[in-house]
Amino acid sequence: QSALTQPASVSGSPGQSITISCTGTSRDVGGYEYVSWYQHHPGKAPKLMIYDVSNRPSGVSDRFSGSKSGNTASLTISGLQNEDEAVYYCASYTGASTLIFGGGTTLTVL
Amino acid sequence: QVQLQESGPGLVKPSQTLALTCTVSGDSISSAAYYWNWIRQHPGKGLEWIGYIYYRGSTYYNPSLKSRVTISVDTSKSQFSLNLTSVTAADSAVYYCARSPLPWLRFFDSWGQGSPVTVSS
Repeated sequence: QSALTQPASVSGSPGQSITISCTGTSRDVGGYEYVSWYQHHPGKAPKLMIYDVSNRPSGVSDRFSGSKSGNTASLTISGLQNEDEAVYYCASYTGASTLIFGGGTTLTVL
Repeated sequence: QVQLQESGPGLVKPSQTLALTCTVSGDSISSAAYYWNWIRQHPGKGLEWIGYIYYRGSTYYNPSLKSRVTISVDTSKSQFSLNLTSVTAADSAVYYCARSPLPWLRFFDSWGQGSPVTVSS
């Protein structure tokens, strides 16, 4: 099964908002309400930012939000801060007890 | 606060078996509420889910790796392990262990720092 499609990179200035898309198919993103997003700073453990499409774990800033329309999920970060610079991955349940990830999007804060 | 820590050799020879262990602290690996997973990241690439184990020993693997993967659990040591046989250079990656809450394989709420593995003679 192919990885979910994410843009390779996005950028924004501090204080701005950015959106990262994650496109799959009806067999994964479009078929389940189980999309998650992870923030990864190199050399550190990935961090869960959004689960079940739009839920934020305790401790994650409300500047991070998730949504889904059809086969495409989105992560929006508002009020960009320097520490948001990282690689962001989406993931989706695919049925049959499997999960696939996106290729990752590098966020640069200008 | 659960913590996961991977351990194992950083260098494996081609055709041999890659063996990694994840030690869980701060929570019980025997909890009925979680799956315990292995995930890897090839250099410069995205993440790939390898498989999971439930504390009772039931497992599920990525179909693309199923023929070479075994995940086992030792609840007495609060550890679970990954064995990947017949490795090639394509198995060089950073290997992460991670926890996912039931039901279904919905997301990973805690991760280890990662264990880099290079396959080379």
